[in-house]
Amino acid sequence: QSVLTQPPSVSGAPGQRVSISCSGNDSNLGAPADVNWYQHLAGTAPKLLIYANNNRPSGVPDRFSGSKSGTSASLAITGLQPDDEADYYCQSYDISLSALVFGGGTKLTVL
Amino acid sequence: EVQVVESGGGLVKPGGSLRLSCAASGFRFTSYSMNWVRQAPGKGLEWVSSISSDGSHKYHADSVKGRFTISRDNAKNSLFLQMDSLRADDTAVYYCVRDLGSSSAFWGQGTLVSVSS
Repeated sequence: QSVLTQPPSVSGAPGQRVSISCSGNDSNLGAPADVNWYQHLAGTAPKLLIYANNNRPSGVPDRFSGSKSGTSASLAITGLQPDDEADYYCQSYDISLSALVFGGGTKLTVL
Repeated sequence: EVQVVESGGGLVKPGGSLRLSCAASGFRFTSYSMNWVRQAPGKGLEWVSSISSDGSHKYHADSVKGRFTISRDNAKNSLFLQMDSLRADDTAVYYCVRDLGSSSAFWGQGTLVSVSS
């Protein structure tokens, strides 16, 4: 059982918009601790997608955006492309556990 | 070009030991904290250990505390994970990660550790 809760899967057709939620509590997202998002394509190194809630590293398309409110966060992907098919993980810090924590991951399927 | 390359994975019997290494290049190693994150087969990502840039502060997940030890050699741009008393549930791909949780986070390709008799 992951400290941060994500839906196991989401799907969308090419060109559509999808959103992936990440739910925590007052010891992590609500502490408030920043949330980061990673994209993980099978067999490759995970890649930083969003940092500090809503910031994109250079090179990440603006189709990817992040938001956070209270104990919840979300990742939105617009203009879905087949290459977006991957696992997405939220990550934060939990002050009660004194540990970096991840969500369980969400598998995005592009139909 | 920034690179972190893990090595040292393999098959080990329960109760055995293994030492993972991570060779860093393309950035000032001494400026960054470093981490190990693992992914068990069919499971999500799990933080394992972190070490500060100068090696003075070390942190381990409860699941590995007392069994795993993170260390670094800044003169050789290298990160290590000494894994003792290995168990079957330690089987995973282990990733070396620069500055996890920040804008400069960067992951390696991972090395597979299998614990089985």
